[in-house]
Amino acid sequence: AQSVTQLDSQVPVFEEAPVELRCNYSSSVSVYLFWYVQYPNQGLQLLLKYLSGSTLVKGINGFEAEFNKSQTSFHLRKPSVHISDTAEYFCALDEVGGSYIPTFGRGTSLIVHP
Amino acid sequence: DTAVSQTPKYLVTQMGNDKSIKCEQNLGHDTMYWYKQDSKKFLKIMFSYNNKELIINETVPNRFSPKSPDKAHLNLHINSLELGDSAVYFCASSQERQGRGLFFGSGTQLSVL
Repeated sequence: AQSVTQLDSQVPVFEEAPVELRCNYSSSVSVYLFWYVQYPNQGLQLLLKYLSGSTLVKGINGFEAEFNKSQTSFHLRKPSVHISDTAEYFCALDEVGGSYIPTFGRGTSLIVHP
Repeated sequence: DTAVSQTPKYLVTQMGNDKSIKCEQNLGHDTMYWYKQDSKKFLKIMFSYNNKELIINETVPNRFSPKSPDKAHLNLHINSLELGDSAVYFCASSQERQGRGLFFGSGTQLSVL
């Protein structure tokens, strides 16, 4: 069975510092990978996705993620965070040819301090 | 225009009551979902539905039932509400082809007293 592990439940960082949110996955088949962001009291919003091709994927709000098949990882990065990036971030995967129900990680709370 | 809309935003009710949450999407998607998010932000899939198939998470109590009057709507009915049902419920939609990602509603905060 597939699974998604987000290694950090909370990541505190100062404004304008770089950040990396870690995501590892497990699957016996090829996967599509996603990062979603959830701002307080809102629904989830798609940040970026990896389907195939270039392993470096750019998303909205200056975020990017790198797919690493050998390490089964899809870490999310931003070179300089803003206060407004404070939110919950979820990594998710779809198995190629599987059901249409993505598997979500437990989320990482990014807290940006001034 | 809101792509996926849920009503109500907040729902406060007593144990034992029956309630419904409505969801509508105007994206022309053919698959809709209901998720439950607990106080620790963990997302649990409850149902996935398109015009061909309803997939039910077997851990969901049968007090919960999805109702889809048409492709753009997937409502959630809950009978005999319990304290443990308190959570945020999210509706979402996607195109049937994989890799499109999900579009989420803004959630319904259910509080059972």
